[in-house]
Amino acid sequence: DTAVSQTPKYLVTQMGNDKSIKCEQNLGHDTMYWYKQDSKKFLKIMFSYNNKELIINETVPNRFSPKSPDKAHLNLHINSLELGDSAVYFCASSQALEQYFGPGTRLTVT
Amino acid sequence: SQQGEEDPQALSIQEGENATMNCSYKTSINNLQWYRQNSGRGLVHLILIRSNEREKHSGRLRVTLDTSKKSSSLLITASRAADTASYFCATDNGANSKLTFGKGITLSVRP
Repeated sequence: DTAVSQTPKYLVTQMGNDKSIKCEQNLGHDTMYWYKQDSKKFLKIMFSYNNKELIINETVPNRFSPKSPDKAHLNLHINSLELGDSAVYFCASSQALEQYFGPGTRLTVT
Repeated sequence: SQQGEEDPQALSIQEGENATMNCSYKTSINNLQWYRQNSGRGLVHLILIRSNEREKHSGRLRVTLDTSKKSSSLLITASRAADTASYFCATDNGANSKLTFGKGITLSVRP
């Protein structure tokens, strides 16, 4: 059983569209994260939620809006997609110090 | 801002050899973690070392931490082809469990 799952795995869309990526964890963790990994593999934190409350909100355009309906889910909605949003987006969760990552969603904006 | 900087950026070794990867960081930390990422996959946690620890072992992994030099090293002994992956160090300064990742090291182990 997958611990941290994301859907979709691949997402190809045109500039200006709005899209969502979903994340679910079945580990019972209180904290969830969204990261963006660029083409050079640089990984940067975007958001973090602890028990449905936003605790980390990095310098991310407000076109990106996370939503946590419950502590097992953290979704990422992106409005007005731009070419520069193309990247791999990873969801992660943690209860202690180590983080558990999902398989990633490769977003390509054309 | 980026915290960890790994070196070398790429490392190619023969199976059976040891691989040493280094990470330097800039600010004080609560702990430092190493992660592995296989191609097309998510990151997997390997080992964590706290700021008051100097060395830690886990199987074929050995990690050291020198807080005076703000650096860490990850040693993989008796490498295997399956160790081929990207390796990242990540620092935790204790604020909201936020991890700051380095750029990663690409390790290739030739069979």
